[in-house]
Amino acid sequence: NAGVTQTPKFQVLKTGQSMTLQCAQDMNHNSMYWYRQDPGMGLRLIYYSASEGTTDKGEVPNGYNVSRLNKREFSLRLESAAPSQTSVYFCASRNPATNEKLFFGSGTQLSVL
Amino acid sequence: LAKTTQPISMDSYEGQEVNITCSHNNIATNDYITWYQQFPSQGPRFIIQGYKTKVTNEVASLFIPADRKSSTLSLPRVSLSDTAVYYCLGDNAGNMLTFGGGTRLMVKP
Repeated sequence: NAGVTQTPKFQVLKTGQSMTLQCAQDMNHNSMYWYRQDPGMGLRLIYYSASEGTTDKGEVPNGYNVSRLNKREFSLRLESAAPSQTSVYFCASRNPATNEKLFFGSGTQLSVL
Repeated sequence: LAKTTQPISMDSYEGQEVNITCSHNNIATNDYITWYQQFPSQGPRFIIQGYKTKVTNEVASLFIPADRKSSTLSLPRVSLSDTAVYYCLGDNAGNMLTFGGGTRLMVKP
């Protein structure tokens, strides 16, 4: 099992460009999450999907959109990137019914110039 | 949503026991308390989870008093490789899982 896979690992964008961060999990988890982590800071929840077909805003949703494509995949889209969105983005998943732990991907380092 | 408060940083020496306390005054009845560890350039990874009293695994112990308004992660005999950021979460089945700033543990030789 690969666990949680994120692509790409690194990305550089210019201000105003758009891009989609991909996340896929192979653990049959119902819930998926997107976090961002700025240097020296904790993780902040952007969006989450409690189950297939649902998405909800987290702490810092502005400037982002998400799609829960199916049970495996949860993508994060930046429509018009801004320098303030320079960060490391982590995707995570879990099965909430059993209070199971979060499993994290290895992250995407995004720089917006 | 259970907000948590932790010390920003702690220092220790190799071989010592480290205790990190987390306050979660608004924890809900059905919330579990979960701790994660994060190394630089990696995603957090699970350490331990509990609901009440004491839980122990091969890595750590978790102490939760009867009122459940706080919890203490105990790392026995830390080594340099335990230098990391540690997060506590009030974990509920409602799914909005938010991390606080975490505690930066520095283990010195």
